[in-house]
Amino acid sequence: GDSVTQMEGPVTLSEEAFLTINCTYTATGYPSLFWYVQYPGEGLQLLLKATKADDKGSNKGFEATYRKETTSFHLEKGSVQVSDSAVYFCALSAGGTSYGKLTFGQGTILTVHP
Amino acid sequence: GAGVSQTPSNKVTEKGKYVELRCDPISGHTALYWYRQSLGQGPEFLIYFQGTGAADDSGLPNDRFFAVRPEGSVSTLKIQRTERGDSAVYLCASSLSPGGGQETQYFGPGTRLLVL
Repeated sequence: GDSVTQMEGPVTLSEEAFLTINCTYTATGYPSLFWYVQYPGEGLQLLLKATKADDKGSNKGFEATYRKETTSFHLEKGSVQVSDSAVYFCALSAGGTSYGKLTFGQGTILTVHP
Repeated sequence: GAGVSQTPSNKVTEKGKYVELRCDPISGHTALYWYRQSLGQGPEFLIYFQGTGAADDSGLPNDRFFAVRPEGSVSTLKIQRTERGDSAVYLCASSLSPGGGQETQYFGPGTRLLVL
């Protein structure tokens, strides 16, 4: 079945450091890929998405590129801020008869120190 | 406009009791999803509604779990004979339509269920 694997966490960085959170997936067909973020005390919200191979999603300085050849969708940011501290979830939607239901990774806790 | 709302925000119950969790989706969203998130894990799919009908209930763990959406808007997740293992955060999400899986799902704040 469909699955998403995220890098083991938690991740602790200093402000302005470079961030990478790895995400790989297994799916039949051509899924859409998402990064969701959960800030402390808040609900899940979409950070970015990509719906086909080689697409790059971007938002708030974060980027991720849909790599079909390596089945990956790694999240990157060039300079993190304290306000980026949150839990990040990689997810896929297989489409078709899956009706858009999301399959999530286990989440990566990011803590950014001043 | 208003986002997805869920009530109650917290629910504490005793083993064996019945609980109902409510979800009010974004107005006009025809697709509605329920997920369950255990501590330290990502959300797991439970059930999907398109309009009033459950199009996919493959994620419901057993027949103690049931969900309805009688008028195509508000949905209720019902859990009978609760067990301690049912303790989790129950999330609701809605989207304009399934759209082949490309549509953004908007999540509610969740209901934290604790079964003692």
